[in-house]
Amino acid sequence: GENVEQHPSTLSVQEGDSAVIKCTYSDSASNYFPWYKQELGKGPQLIIDIRSNVGEKKDQRIAVTLNKTAKHFSLHITETQPEDSAVYFCAASHPGSARQLTFGSGTQLTVLP
Amino acid sequence: DSGVTQTPKHLITATGQRVTLRCSPRSGDLSVYWYQQSLDQGLQFLIQYYNGEERAKGNILERFSAQQFPDLHSELNLSSLELGDSALYFCASSPRGGLDYGYTFGSGTRLTVV
Repeated sequence: GENVEQHPSTLSVQEGDSAVIKCTYSDSASNYFPWYKQELGKGPQLIIDIRSNVGEKKDQRIAVTLNKTAKHFSLHITETQPEDSAVYFCAASHPGSARQLTFGSGTQLTVLP
Repeated sequence: DSGVTQTPKHLITATGQRVTLRCSPRSGDLSVYWYQQSLDQGLQFLIQYYNGEERAKGNILERFSAQQFPDLHSELNLSSLELGDSALYFCASSPRGGLDYGYTFGSGTRLTVV
């Protein structure tokens, strides 16, 4: 089955700096890659996603890049703010898996004021 | 509010007991997914239902079972509970079961087995 590795597990940045979280996946047939943000005491919330026919997608301060050849994708957050502090999960979905998502292990992002 | 409702929010029970977790999907969503989140295992897929039928199974123990009812709400039943079953249990829903849609998660049920 699919395996998704995520790193780093923890990341601290100064407010205003950029943060980058990276994920690799194992199944070359995976074609959908969402990112979720989980705040304390809440469920994961979809923040951005990308499909395999696109190399990059941006939404305001958040961007995701995908390299299908290398089977890795990354989340980029620019101009970080304290409210960006949360756990971020990447995930991958395989077309033959009834759309179940395989999640990475999560990155605890802390934005220091 | 994500639109996915999970009850109860917290549950404390003893080993060997049986509990039922409930999930109401977002209005119009046909597919329901159950995930277990523990500190050392991350988010683990348990089972998926689509319009009342089981669609996929993940790492779900035989002591666990689920179903989706005609009104599309779903229940996850956990029996013969062990200390290791303590975790957050999330339900998520999506419009359809076979397309490229992200999930919408509920806020979870925190299960503590003592």
